[in-house]
Amino acid sequence: AQSVTQLGSHVSVSEGALVLLRCNYSSSVPPYLFWYVQYPNQGLQLLLKYTSAATLVKGINGFEAEFKKSETSFHLTKPSAHMSDAAEYFCAVRPSFGNEKLTFGTGTRLTIIP
Amino acid sequence: SAVISQKPSRDICQRGTSLTIQCQVDSQVTMMFWYRQQPGQSLTLIATANQGSEATYESGFVIDKFPISRPNLTFSTLTVSNMSPEDSSIYLCSVGQGASNQPQHFGDGTRLSIL
Repeated sequence: AQSVTQLGSHVSVSEGALVLLRCNYSSSVPPYLFWYVQYPNQGLQLLLKYTSAATLVKGINGFEAEFKKSETSFHLTKPSAHMSDAAEYFCAVRPSFGNEKLTFGTGTRLTIIP
Repeated sequence: SAVISQKPSRDICQRGTSLTIQCQVDSQVTMMFWYRQQPGQSLTLIATANQGSEATYESGFVIDKFPISRPNLTFSTLTVSNMSPEDSSIYLCSVGQGASNQPQHFGDGTRLSIL
């Protein structure tokens, strides 16, 4: 069974600093990967997805992620953090074949320091 | 993407009672899913709601505790039965079109507290 690991359950960055949230997957075949954001008292919102096209994927709100097969990673980045980026971020994986379910990482809570 | 409405958005219930959560989508969707998110935790899939047939439950979840209906391609309900404090969670409805490369979309969730 495939899985994703999110390193760092809590990440704090200063406003204006680089945001880096880590996600590593385990799969023998490159899967489809997704990043979601959950703001307080809300559901999950899709930030971006990797579906075997371009390895550098741009999403909403200035976020992007790069798929690196050699490192089995799909880290989420944003050049300059805003206060409004404070939220919980989830990486999720699904096999690129079949009709398997979406599997979520444990999440990373991002705090922005003024 | 589809607009997903969940009702109620939150509730406080007494131990031993049951609550039915509704999920309405503004377009027809192939797949509907129900997730549980316990406090401070990630999402756990409860079941896949199949239109016209019984739901498919994940390991650790049973129909008697979490009966699900899906009468058509735009609506589903999840009932949390005989509730205990351990059922205090966020319950999320999610929809997809069945293709692996397409994302699932989520409602805002139902925040349930059991006293």
